[in-house]
Amino acid sequence: EVQLVESGGGLVKPGGSLRLSCAASGFTFSSYSMSWVRQAPGKGLEWVSCISSRTQYIYYADSLKGRFTISRDNTKNSLYLQMNSLRAEDTAVYYCARVIKPVVTGALDLWGLGTLVTVSS
Amino acid sequence: QLVLTQSPSASASLGASVKLTCTLSSGHSSYAIAWHQQQPEKGPRYLMKLNSDGSHSKGDGIPDRFLGSSSGAERYLTISSLQSEDEADYYCQIWGTGNVIFGGGTKLTVL
Repeated sequence: EVQLVESGGGLVKPGGSLRLSCAASGFTFSSYSMSWVRQAPGKGLEWVSCISSRTQYIYYADSLKGRFTISRDNTKNSLYLQMNSLRAEDTAVYYCARVIKPVVTGALDLWGLGTLVTVSS
Repeated sequence: QLVLTQSPSASASLGASVKLTCTLSSGHSSYAIAWHQQQPEKGPRYLMKLNSDGSHSKGDGIPDRFLGSSSGAERYLTISSLQSEDEADYYCQIWGTGNVIFGGGTKLTVL
């Protein structure tokens, strides 16, 4: 089955760190660019970051640069998001998404179920 | 600057049709977009990629009831024979070099 499964979310204090993971299955992970998208409670979708298939290109939303780091391990079919210096406004469900071929930024044609990150003291 | 504008809400009756609109910012009328559906308490689901000429490619398993079309800077999603499970938030998405933008979403209520 073609799917993306996120993990690693949870409750973290302001200023803390968290690492999210996304496990891909059912398709050739190494052939696709991947993205992270988040959704704050009751709000719309917000793009976070994307990474090309072989990590040649990495992009971030301007508001997040310097605090979040995207990475991937094609040998493990996994995508990651390291989040540092977390703030209350980072509270959201974080989704992993696949980018339609052959571009780095493009339509997101497969989504995971999401993992909830709550930043609170 | 890439901006997508969507009406916050729409409603239509069970069995009827509804046309949702996504408006592209000035200077971006040639861009393709994607439409996504998000049912309550669920993750988003890719519906289709919609080009400026109205051609589109749907995601796997998307019913024929979902149709995309374009006119100038407007991108449309028409849903016919509305069913209760179509009640959801619908987002359009656009992309440029190094960034991705979502519209604010339209909440569709099926009456």
